Amino acid sequence: GENVEQHPSTLSVQEGDSAVIKCTYSDSASNYFPWYKQELGKGPQLIIDIRSNVGEKKDQRIAVTLNKTAKHFSLHITETQPEDSAVYFCAASIGTGGFKTIFGAGTRLFVKA
Amino acid sequence: DAGVIQSPRHEVTEMGQEVTLRCKPISGHDYLFWYRQTMMRGLELLIYFNNNVPIDDSGMPEDRFSAKMPNASFSTLKIQPSEPRDSAVYFCASSPTDGVGYTFGSGTRLTVV
Repeated sequence: GENVEQHPSTLSVQEGDSAVIKCTYSDSASNYFPWYKQELGKGPQLIIDIRSNVGEKKDQRIAVTLNKTAKHFSLHITETQPEDSAVYFCAASIGTGGFKTIFGAGTRLFVKA
Repeated sequence: DAGVIQSPRHEVTEMGQEVTLRCKPISGHDYLFWYRQTMMRGLELLIYFNNNVPIDDSGMPEDRFSAKMPNASFSTLKIQPSEPRDSAVYFCASSPTDGVGYTFGSGTRLTVV
């Protein structure tokens, strides 16, 4: 089955700096890669996703890149702000909707003001 | 839309007691997922339903766990009897067939003493 590894487990950055979180997956059939942000006491919330037919996607300060050959994908947050502090999860699935999504272990991001 | 609604938010019970967690998915979403989150194991998929029918329950840890979805707007996850190692945050999520990603509820924090 699919296995998703995520690094680093903890990341601390200064406000205004960039943050990068990296993930690798094992199943070459996976073609959908969402990223979730989880704030304290809340459920994970989808923040951005990418499909296998796209190499990069950007939404304001966040961007995701995908390298299908190497089976890894990354989340980039620029101009970090204190409200970006949260746990971020990468995930991989075959398709969307009715397919199992396997999550990475999470990265706790601290943005210091 | 009010999102995915879970109840209760917190549950403290004694070992051996029956626990029932409840979930109301977003109207129109065809898929419903139950996840368990712990520090040690991260987010684990327990079971998921499509149009109220259980599709994959391979993540249900033991026979003590059971889940039902009697209609499109309601699902339950039951643990009987409960054990201290069942202590975790349990999330319900839903998604449409052609949607992207999941919408998670706020979770139920279960403590078994």
